[in-house]
Amino acid sequence: EFQLLESGGDSVQPGGSLRLSCAASGFPFKKYAMSWVRQAPGKGLEWVSGIRVSEDETFYADSVRGRFTISRDNFRNTLYLQINALRVEDTAIYFCARDLFFFMDVWGQGTTVTVSS
Amino acid sequence: QSVLTQPPSVSAAPGQQVTISCSGSASNIGNNSVSWYQQLPRTAPKLLIYDNDKRPSGIPDRFSGSKSGTSATLGIAGLQTGDEADYFCGTWDSSRSVGIFGGGTKVTVL
Repeated sequence: EFQLLESGGDSVQPGGSLRLSCAASGFPFKKYAMSWVRQAPGKGLEWVSGIRVSEDETFYADSVRGRFTISRDNFRNTLYLQINALRVEDTAIYFCARDLFFFMDVWGQGTTVTVSS
Repeated sequence: QSVLTQPPSVSAAPGQQVTISCSGSASNIGNNSVSWYQQLPRTAPKLLIYDNDKRPSGIPDRFSGSKSGTSATLGIAGLQTGDEADYFCGTWDSSRSVGIFGGGTKVTVL
């Protein structure tokens, strides 16, 4: 069974940092592109960032470019999202997803990031 | 405001059909495939349609997708109460190299 399990979400103050993780199992992680998608409370889906098989190829939404960094560890089968300079508007559930460019066929259950003073 | 435009809501009686539109531009839908996702309350999104009109294994053929020019459409036939959910379209925007989703459409079964 394909599985993605996010972790690392927390409540932080504006300006803070977090590192989200997404552990993959059940499929050859190193052969797939991956993405992070977030959903603010009561809102729709927002694509945040994507990374191809090669870690050199990364993509970011305008709203997070320069503050968020996506990376992957193909030995640990883990996807990461380093998020810095957090803003109140970054409050959301963050999902990781397997990306077959550009459709996402496997999703995790999400991890919650709350930014509040 | 989403780059892809969807109606906020659609509704129909059980057994009826609904269609959900997704309107974009040449740089996104016009040049890339569209996918559709179903999100039941308090759950992660689920892939319904990929490559405009293909269904993953396990998705019933009541769900269909199509694309024409810079717009795409999701159809749900034989509406069931279990279909009440939010539905999102998604694609890639080639000019900006970003992924994009529609604002979502809430389907209500009357």
